[in-house]
Amino acid sequence: AQSVTQLGSHVSVSEGALVLLRCNYSSSVPPYLFWYVQYPNQGLQLLLKYTSAATLVKGINGFEAEFKKSETSFHLTKPSAHMSDAAEYFCAVSRAGANSKLTFGKGITLSVRP
Amino acid sequence: DVKVTQSSRYLVKRTGEKVFLECVQDMDHENMFWYRQDPGLGLRLIYFSYDVKMKEKGDIPEGYSVSREKKERFSLILESASTNQTSMYLCASSPTVPNTGELFFGEGSRLTVL
Repeated sequence: AQSVTQLGSHVSVSEGALVLLRCNYSSSVPPYLFWYVQYPNQGLQLLLKYTSAATLVKGINGFEAEFKKSETSFHLTKPSAHMSDAAEYFCAVSRAGANSKLTFGKGITLSVRP
Repeated sequence: DVKVTQSSRYLVKRTGEKVFLECVQDMDHENMFWYRQDPGLGLRLIYFSYDVKMKEKGDIPEGYSVSREKKERFSLILESASTNQTSMYLCASSPTVPNTGELFFGEGSRLTVL
């Protein structure tokens, strides 16, 4: 079985501040990990993914995430928030194998204050 | 780029009506999925399909059915719409190779049942 925990439902930061969105996963086998972003009234867009290569993964729009096996974490960071980063962010986990399926966290809404 | 197209962005239907939500992908993906998204509940899997004419129940299939007559098209059917089916519906597809579980999403269909 696999699961994802995203603590809290809302994070608010000032423009220019560090963005940190937490994600912890549970998986009985080595996982694949993903962060998706959703802007209002749109579908989900892939931000970045970890598929067992480098543990520090860089994505679009200046975001990055680090896979830490010892902490079962895959936290998303961005050094300097921009107003356009305001959106909902989902962490998701899957595993290798036939018919692999994603399991999503409940999502975190990021607000950016001017 | 992968494109997943959902036929209707916004629909308003009456209780008891039959509702069809259509989804088409243009990247020859084997796997297709239907999710619903509700505030505070994240994404919940309704149905999925790993091949033409094949379907499997997800976590919340009650009140829904699906059809996959062609590889590129996956339809979600609400036989008799109810107000508790008011939601955002997201279609997604994924390839079998590479098999990481990564999903490619459509823009979503926001359904209101009155």
